[in-house]
Amino acid sequence: GAGVSQSPSNKVTEKGKDVELRCDPISGHTALYWYRQSLGQGLEFLIYFQGNSAPDKSGLPSDRFSAERTGGSVSTLTIQRTQQEDSAVYLCASSLRGLAVTDTQYFGPGTRLTVL
Amino acid sequence: AQKITQTQPGMFVQEKEAVTLDCTYDTSDPSYGLFWYKQPSSGEMIFLIYQGSYDQQNATEGRYSLNFQKARKSANLVISASQLGDSAMYFCAMRGSGGSNYKLTFGKGTLLTVNP
Repeated sequence: GAGVSQSPSNKVTEKGKDVELRCDPISGHTALYWYRQSLGQGLEFLIYFQGNSAPDKSGLPSDRFSAERTGGSVSTLTIQRTQQEDSAVYLCASSLRGLAVTDTQYFGPGTRLTVL
Repeated sequence: AQKITQTQPGMFVQEKEAVTLDCTYDTSDPSYGLFWYKQPSSGEMIFLIYQGSYDQQNATEGRYSLNFQKARKSANLVISASQLGDSAMYFCAMRGSGGSNYKLTFGKGTLLTVNP
């Protein structure tokens, strides 16, 4: 079946502009995650959605970052007033249930964001 | 909180030989899951193998096996019969059973190069 898809694959933007990154999870997966991968910080958790529950936004680095998940499926990560330190690869993952230690997260190809 | 340590920034192996990638972890959770992911230069994070903390046997998946030593808190990945396509970054990750147990905590990764 289809895996996690993300768009765009690459995004170059100017400092101060807003960007939207999209994630389509695996069909039937109720849990969705966003991570950020940068050279200095490694892989960092950003946000978690589980079904219709309120998301865990504890990993978002600032209030410029927000995310939503519509209809329990597609998710959009929005970064407002981008800064150069936002440059990173943004990875989306989904999993079947989300709450069990056995629950495997499957990742998309990522969006490489470059802020000039 | 969980912590993953991968002490080998880079490893080299000859094609067809076996290689072990080290991973140690720290957690106070009574149960947890350990995961290994492969990230080729294309950027996608590919799930390889899972080990549960209460699993009696070491996990195996094709050429991948996990040398799980719970008392030592280590979960080393063994790749047998290395292939050129195994050249990639390898990440060890874990999730616990505590409050924010859905998050994966990643190590900094090991870059494996398979030489012909």
